[in-house]
Parts: sequence; C-alpha cells; structure tokens
Amino acid sequence: SQQGEEDPQALSIQEGENATMNCSYKTSINNLQWYRQNSGRGLVHLILIRSNEREKHSGRLRVTLDTSKKSSSLLITASRAADTASYFCAFRMDSSYKLIFGSGTRLLVRP
Amino acid sequence: DTGVSQNPRHKITKRGQNVTFRCDPISEHNRLYWYRQTLGQGPEFLTYFQNEAQLEKSRLLSDRFSAERPKGSFSTLEIQRTEQGDSAMYLCASSLSGEGSPLHFGNGTRLTVT
Repeated sequence: SQQGEEDPQALSIQEGENATMNCSYKTSINNLQWYRQNSGRGLVHLILIRSNEREKHSGRLRVTLDTSKKSSSLLITASRAADTASYFCAFRMDSSYKLIFGSGTRLLVRP
Repeated sequence: DTGVSQNPRHKITKRGQNVTFRCDPISEHNRLYWYRQTLGQGPEFLTYFQNEAQLEKSRLLSDRFSAERPKGSFSTLEIQRTEQGDSAMYLCASSLSGEGSPLHFGNGTRLTVT
C-alpha cells in the first residue's frame, strides 16, 4: 500500500499559470524527491530536498518541505504544454533502502 | 551512458504461462530496483539489489515472483503461473550508492495477461 498521498489527483490549468501539487507522508524521512512521468514512459528525477532544508529551487520548479506537518509541495511556475505529465513525490523511510512513491498528480496544461 | 534499458517493451501472455523480463542498468550503478505500476497509481516497490545481493523484497511479492542479478550487472524478473492481476507496467531503475542518489528509470515492460 502507498504510504504517500498526493493532491490533487488531477489538475488542469492554462499555459502560463502556476501549478501546485502537494504530498503528505507518514514516517520520518531523510529526504524527499519529486519525479515526473510522461504517459507510457519511465519516471524522471526532478529535484531532491533534504530534511534539513525548507525550500529549494531548480529553474521553474520550487519545492518546499515541512517535516513537522510531514508534507511537501511542488510548484511549477509559468507552465507550458510540455509540462503535461504525472508528478510523483518519493521518499525513503529511515530503516529501508526502498523509495516509496506517492499516488501522483496528473497535470494537464492547456495551450 | 545509454540509460536503463528494459526488454521487452510489451508482453502479452495467457494466464498460467511464465514470463521473464530483463533490465540493463546504467553500467556504473550498483543499485537496482524493480517496481510495478498499474494505471493511475504510483510505482509500487517489488525488490532491490545492491550489486548481486537482493537486500529487500516486498511482502507484496508472492512466491510466483523471483528476481536475479547475476554478477551485479543486468537483472531478470520472472513471474511464474501468471494471473490476470499481474497485468501492469514493470519498471526497472538503477542508481549510485549514497543517500539521495536519484533513481534512473527504464521505460518499462507492459505485461498483459489474458
């Protein structure tokens, strides 16, 4: 069963708008990662934020992490049609090697 | 670096048959993971190798599933006596050691059990 939940499940926005996706988890973590998946393809790593960081930027991506609330958010600014994809958060529990993925947010950016 | 390669891309099989998938990771990556993904869901962890050692295996994995990574290079995932519930995308990923090393995924093998 998934131990990470994301919301919204689906998001439809106009090109140029910002998109915000949220991830919640239930355990203590060392870091949290975000991945993107285009339809029918494998996942691609976007960004990692460590548990001692609160915010991180990479190009048009901004990630925040609140370990007290066990939540993270991914903001994509000035969205483009090419950003249309599913986005997943992922994290490791302290005692495990495996990366656990959230349920994902399906983003549609309308041209 | 040609990325993670998975074969075949698609597999259609009849219930009860055995299937085997192959994953070739990025050559310098010593960690290898198998995941299963169904439509609209995130990837579910199946198993993990550090070099040739299988260090973690999901309790979701029944006795019909087995994975190997001989010599710490490519890996195979075999499903015996397939069931319709096994229909899914099977994803392989590899990474370097180290906390926070990102996973590099292949494009998956889509299995359909009829």
